[in-house]
Amino acid sequence: AQSVTQLGSHVSVSEGALVLLRCNYSSSVPPYLFWYVQYPNQGLQLLLKYTTGATLVKGINGFEAEFKKSETSFHLTKPSAHMSDAAEYFCAVSGAGGYQKVTFGTGTKLQVIP
Amino acid sequence: SAVISQKPSRDICQRGTSLTIQCQVDSQVTMMFWYRQQPGQSLTLIATANQGSEATYESGFVIDKFPISRPNLTFSTLTVSNMSPEDSSIYLCSVARDVDSGANVLTFGAGSRLTVL
Repeated sequence: AQSVTQLGSHVSVSEGALVLLRCNYSSSVPPYLFWYVQYPNQGLQLLLKYTTGATLVKGINGFEAEFKKSETSFHLTKPSAHMSDAAEYFCAVSGAGGYQKVTFGTGTKLQVIP
Repeated sequence: SAVISQKPSRDICQRGTSLTIQCQVDSQVTMMFWYRQQPGQSLTLIATANQGSEATYESGFVIDKFPISRPNLTFSTLTVSNMSPEDSSIYLCSVARDVDSGANVLTFGAGSRLTVL
C-alpha cells in the first residue's frame, strides 16, 4: 500500500523567496516519486521524478526535490519564487517496474505575493 | 509526450441525467486512465481502460455508474450516469508513458469540470 501526505494545503511566499512544499510518503516497496503541477484550467504536468540513482532531482522551471529515504520525504524546492509559479502542486508515489498505480497527495496551492 | 484532448471542458447538468466525456490522444497508447479530482481531495483513480478488454475499476467505483469505452488505441469515453450533486467534480483522462522503463509518468488532459444541480 502507498500513501502521500502533503503538509499545507495552501502556501504563500513572496516573489523572490524560497519555495518549500513538503511531501512525505509511505510505501511498502521502493518508491518512484513525482511532483506534478497544475495551472488553472489545465491538466497536470510532470515537474520532476525520482526513480533510482541520484537522490537530488532537478525538474523544469528551476524546481528540484530531494529523496530522503530515512525521512520518507520528497520535498519540492525552488530558490526564488516567480509569479508564474502560482499553481497547485501534487506529490505522487508509485511502485517500481512496469506500470504501477500512482497515488496522489491532496495538493498544495502555491500563492506568490508580489 | 502525448497530447490529450478532452471534451466537454465543462458542463452543468441536471440531477438524474448522464453525461459522456470524450478523451482523444494524438498517439496510440495502451493504458488510459480516468481520474476524479474533487476540491480539497487528492486525485482518485476511477478506472484503467485498456483497448480490447473491460475496464478495471478501483474500489468504490462501479461500471453501472461510470461505464467506460475504449474502442481503439487513441480514444476513450467515460460516462457519469444518473448524476447527483455529489458527482460534481473535475474528471481527468490520462495516459502512461515510459512504461517500458517503469517510470510510470502520467500525461493528463485539461479535464472536464462537471457541475450537477
